[in-house]
Amino acid sequence: EAGVTQFPSHSVIEKGQTVTLRCDPISGHDNLYWYRRVMGKEIKFLLHFVKESKQDESGMPNNRFLAERTGGTYSTLKVQPAELEDSGVYFCASSQHNEQYFGPGTRLTVT
Amino acid sequence: QQQVKQSPQSLIVQKGGISIINCAYENTAFDYFPWYQQFPGKGPALLIAIRPDVSEKKEGRFTISFNKSAKQFSLHIMDSQPGDSATYFCAAVISNFGNEKLTFGTGTRLTIIP
Repeated sequence: EAGVTQFPSHSVIEKGQTVTLRCDPISGHDNLYWYRRVMGKEIKFLLHFVKESKQDESGMPNNRFLAERTGGTYSTLKVQPAELEDSGVYFCASSQHNEQYFGPGTRLTVT
Repeated sequence: QQQVKQSPQSLIVQKGGISIINCAYENTAFDYFPWYQQFPGKGPALLIAIRPDVSEKKEGRFTISFNKSAKQFSLHIMDSQPGDSATYFCAAVISNFGNEKLTFGTGTRLTIIP
């Protein structure tokens, strides 16, 4: 069974540009979560989808972040325009019941 | 503010020794406490978890000790091996009808030396 995949693995962009991160969950998992780890700090929750619906987006930092989950399958997280403080590792996780399975993350660097 | 505090930030243990990582929380609504293990280039993976109705859970060389009154829990790795070298995160969850969002500690980088 394929695990959670994320694309790209690394992204370096300039301040003010737009970046879109993609997450493909494990097939059949209704729950999809986005998290972010800023350098040396804790991994922080961003939002939670159940199928295509946003269940909880309380962790989204501001309206520069837009998450979508088309047809309840893959999800995208767009940052527009990117700021320096958006740098970090973005993780996606999926679950069907309790255990969340994490992808390898996308390392975003904003210069 | 940080809801789950984790220490130490880094830990070096000799092979065969015991590795101990500690976490503390404030919110008594947390009712599930997992530990995650992360290797370089990989995402965190569930290692072991405990609910507050028990004080200890053991799986192989890994044990969680839980102190509900002190709002503290810890991970003990017995007979630590070089393959255990990784970053460990404690986490806490408020079970909420399928929204199992994780609140993480800051992580502990564990290095096991021969």
